[in-house]
Amino acid sequence: AQSVTQLGSHVSVSEGALVLLRCNYSSSVPPYLFWYVQYPNQGLQLLLKYTTGATLVKGINGFEAEFKKSETSFHLTKPSAHMSDAAEYFCAVSNTNAGKSTFGDGTTLTVKP
Amino acid sequence: GAGVSQSPSNKVTEKGKDVELRCDPISGHTALYWYRQSLGQGLEFLIYFQGNSAPDKSGLPSDRFSAERTGGSVSTLTIQRTQQEDSAVYLCASSFGLLSGANVLTFGAGSRLTVL
Repeated sequence: AQSVTQLGSHVSVSEGALVLLRCNYSSSVPPYLFWYVQYPNQGLQLLLKYTTGATLVKGINGFEAEFKKSETSFHLTKPSAHMSDAAEYFCAVSNTNAGKSTFGDGTTLTVKP
Repeated sequence: GAGVSQSPSNKVTEKGKDVELRCDPISGHTALYWYRQSLGQGLEFLIYFQGNSAPDKSGLPSDRFSAERTGGSVSTLTIQRTQQEDSAVYLCASSFGLLSGANVLTFGAGSRLTVL
């Protein structure tokens, strides 16, 4: 069984501030972890993924996430928020090379000028 | 095609009617998924097809929901006797599945269903 918990359904930051979106997962086997982003009126797209190897993964638009097995976490960060980062962010886990991905409830990021 | 195509983009129907939602995945993708996104909710898994294997239907919420995938390509999600709680955006995604190093999904734009 697998599950994802995203802490905070809404996060608001000022432009230029640090972005931190939290994700914790549970999985009975080593997981594959993903962050997807959904910009307003657009479909979901992959932001970054962790499969194996380096635990710090970099994605598009300056985002990165760190896989911490001991904490079962995969938090998403960006050093400096931009107005264009306003979107909904979904964390997902998959524990096989195929098969369903389980998504969190999403976190809506608002960036204030 | 270049991306995952879903139709219709919007569907308004009356309670009790049947609806069909179509998904055309990326050519070569062996895996196809349906998810449901309700207002303010996350993505709810509905069903998953992988090649010629039996689909994983574990997420279908009731027997009013069914899906098929013809020829390993296009998929149709059918909702019979629609109810107001079926109102949501239905998302289709595809991936290379077992052929890939990770299960990266490419999503369509979704079909927004409104049941009056």
